[in-house]
Amino acid sequence: DAGITQSPRHKVTETGTPVTLRCHQTENHRYMYWYRQDPGHGLRLIHYSYGVKDTDKGEVSDGYSVSRSKTEDFLLTLESATSSQTSVYFCAISGVDGVNSPLHFGNGTRLTVT
Amino acid sequence: DQQVKQNSPSLSVQEGRISILNCDYTNSMFDYFLWYKKYPAEGPTFLISISSIKDKNEDGRFTVFLNKSAKHLSLHIVPSQPGDSAVYFCAASGRRGAGSYQLTFGKGTKLSVIP
Repeated sequence: DAGITQSPRHKVTETGTPVTLRCHQTENHRYMYWYRQDPGHGLRLIHYSYGVKDTDKGEVSDGYSVSRSKTEDFLLTLESATSSQTSVYFCAISGVDGVNSPLHFGNGTRLTVT
Repeated sequence: DQQVKQNSPSLSVQEGRISILNCDYTNSMFDYFLWYKKYPAEGPTFLISISSIKDKNEDGRFTVFLNKSAKHLSLHIVPSQPGDSAVYFCAASGRRGAGSYQLTFGKGTKLSVIP
């Protein structure tokens, strides 16, 4: 298994509260990604990072922000959680050069916003 | 606008028979295609991939076929085993900004292999 740890694994929070999810990798990979998985939608890219302090938006970035201050950590923040952000969130990493190499995923964080 | 489509939400196959999972794509800039397998409460696991310069790639019981003219790929599992029961995601990538190759996923097909 690729060395990817997501924390927490489960979280329940209330609408309007900030939430931060953490992804930690031990592979020293340059590229890191946050996806969300919802029934009927597959996996959709939220944000990605191509290096320390280098990030960009994905397909469904509204309401989310990210930070990457170290190679090994990629944080996803919901500034003010909404019920539509109830989902399973997956972090992924890819090979050093990011060229045509598969992503390797963590085991996910299940977030419920009440 | 769904760029990667898996039109069959589910598929049931008898153990020992062939499973064929299908995927269509619309973006002609995609040049790398992958299949992932996902069990409940786990992250997707990479299964097999194929570059657009090939039309077939095999790995043990798993073969992926690519038909670029039809913008179609398929995953064949022979013989199917009960442990293959999972959700299978098709994914495609092409170069985006800053040199990153982002994956676009289909919605998944749930395969059930019946003993």
